[in-house]
Amino acid sequence: DQQVKQNSPSLSVQEGRISILNCDYTNSMFDYFLWYKKYPAEGPTFLISISSIKDKNEDGRFTVFLNKSAKHLSLHIVPSQPGDSAVYFCAVSGSARQLTFGSGTQLTVLP
Amino acid sequence: EADIYQTPRYLVIGTGKKITLECSQTMGHDKMYWYQQDPGMELHLIHYSYGVNSTEKGDLSSESTVSRIRTEHFPLTLESARPSHTSQYLCASSLPGGSYEQYFGPGTRLTVT
Repeated sequence: DQQVKQNSPSLSVQEGRISILNCDYTNSMFDYFLWYKKYPAEGPTFLISISSIKDKNEDGRFTVFLNKSAKHLSLHIVPSQPGDSAVYFCAVSGSARQLTFGSGTQLTVLP
Repeated sequence: EADIYQTPRYLVIGTGKKITLECSQTMGHDKMYWYQQDPGMELHLIHYSYGVNSTEKGDLSSESTVSRIRTEHFPLTLESARPSHTSQYLCASSLPGGSYEQYFGPGTRLTVT
């Protein structure tokens, strides 16, 4: 059973608008949450993270929101740029510090 | 900036051949990981190491083996490649202590014919 789900395999957004990527997890024991970005033929690149003691973390155009009661996190990108087009993976971690990944969402930002 | 290297980047090989995928990092990280990823799917942890002479199997069963003789080097070996091993293999490392973030290499795309 998948512990981390990204239910939207793809998302298209107009340049300058907001991109919202979603991720759901099943285990309330997870205490750290990360987003990675992956371009074709490259490895994932760490983007932003959030601890379970917070509900929001911001870094420039990227904001991650965590709703622990709903076991849901989201990544907001504002404004979206064509260079943001990539696959975005959410990952969760518990006490073992190992990462469990979702299946990714392909974001396409249209110029 | 993370410095983690994987070679080869692409490999096409016949069934039954022995292969070794190389992974090296220059950051002195204690923890290193191997993931396997198929297109459109999640990354699956197949091996990890918390230091020299320490290796463990991950969540996804794999016929590959790993070794960790030096801190900076974490090679993955398949003794006899099969078409079912066709996948992308990603190596990662992380800081010692309580760090969660992992830094990934560019990956090796393996095709077994």
